[in-house]
Amino acid sequence: QVQLVESGGGVVQPWTSLRLSCATSGFTFALSPMHWVRQAPGKGLEWVASVSFDGKTNTNIESVRGRFTISRDNSKNTLYLQMNSLRPDDTAVYFCARDGERGSFDYWGQGTLVTFSS
Amino acid sequence: SYVLTQPPSVSVAPGKTARITCGGDNLGGESLHWYQQKPGQAPVQVIYYDNERPSGIPERFSGSRIGNTATLTISRVEAGDEADYYCQVCDSLIDHRFFGGGTKLTVL
Repeated sequence: QVQLVESGGGVVQPWTSLRLSCATSGFTFALSPMHWVRQAPGKGLEWVASVSFDGKTNTNIESVRGRFTISRDNSKNTLYLQMNSLRPDDTAVYFCARDGERGSFDYWGQGTLVTFSS
Repeated sequence: SYVLTQPPSVSVAPGKTARITCGGDNLGGESLHWYQQKPGQAPVQVIYYDNERPSGIPERFSGSRIGNTATLTISRVEAGDEADYYCQVCDSLIDHRFFGGGTKLTVL
């Protein structure tokens, strides 16, 4: 069955970096566009970034442009999100999700939490 | 880009029908999708392409759309349906995704 397992979250300081990973199994990863979606505490879902099946094309929301980079390693069936210059408003659970029909998300990981130390 | 508007909350008695709406402007031919999220869990797709149901989702869940408004209908509501529900659309021109603000379904 399809499995997506995120890792790499943690407690960070402002302006530092973090790399999230999403290990996948149960489907042909190299054929699937992939996404990161985040959810701030007590808030709704926000799409963050997408990457094409071959990693050659990616898109993201304006608030992370120039700071976050989505990438993938098809030989390892793994999706990444490199997050630089982290800001307190980046605090969220970050989910990886597989691209579904007509721009939907058909499978989701359980998420990894990124939070800031006070 | 799109702004999707959902009611913040909907309440329904067990066994009744819940309807959650999602409105947007100029959605055109873009498809609307729906997700269920229970506390502490990842979202689960319950409807895609306006009215298609993924395998494993009960027939009690259905989707419809008239113009720029989509509706998620849950028939014979059960206590286990209590969750947050989100609608979502993809702007295919720029390949960006947008979510509605979410609706908290309370089963009375």
